[in-house]
Amino acid sequence: DAKTTQPTSMDCAEGRAANLPCNHSTISGNEYVYWYRQIHSQGPQYIIHGLKNNETNEMASLIITEDRKSSTLILPHATLRDTAVYYCIVSEGKGAQKLVFGQGTRLTINP
Amino acid sequence: DAGVTQSPTHLIKTRGQQVTLRCSPKSGHDTVSWYQQALGQGPQFIFQYYEEEERQRGNFPDRFSGHQFPNYSSELNVNALLLGDSALYLCASRQLAGANEQFFGPGTRLTVL
Repeated sequence: DAKTTQPTSMDCAEGRAANLPCNHSTISGNEYVYWYRQIHSQGPQYIIHGLKNNETNEMASLIITEDRKSSTLILPHATLRDTAVYYCIVSEGKGAQKLVFGQGTRLTINP
Repeated sequence: DAGVTQSPTHLIKTRGQQVTLRCSPKSGHDTVSWYQQALGQGPQFIFQYYEEEERQRGNFPDRFSGHQFPNYSSELNVNALLLGDSALYLCASRQLAGANEQFFGPGTRLTVL
């Protein structure tokens, strides 16, 4: 079973920041938080991952709370092409790294 | 770099038949994982191959088997197909000793009639 809880769906206006929350209260010390997204009928796409510290790349920012029990993915200036299902996953960083997907959040960016 | 490629794109089979799906990993990647995604659900992990051996397996019956070749490409075989095997089958690759992210292919859409 997935170790994360996400809202089923969210809406965001184009050009605004999209903030997607994720709860992972049972995360263990060696597990990372990963975010992937899946645009309709395509394979999932890696977005970002982090262990403890906040992370930023060209796609998004990841904010992890100090107790690591929750995190937020931030898309700073959402575009229509960001409409997708976003998956928050906790998994060990190295080794086999089996990804356990939940239902994800269906994010709709509105014009 | 072509990324992860999968073939075929779509496939239609009947119950009881056998199917083989193929995956070529991204250049430089040595580990391949397979996932099954039913309609409206998140992907479910089937198994992972590294050094031509199955290293980890999800909760799937023995009807699902795989293989990894010396060039790191992989096959997923499903025997005695059931209607419930209809799904998008995704292949993902990574470099075991490298960065953490996995790269997914576009998937093979299998329909069992």
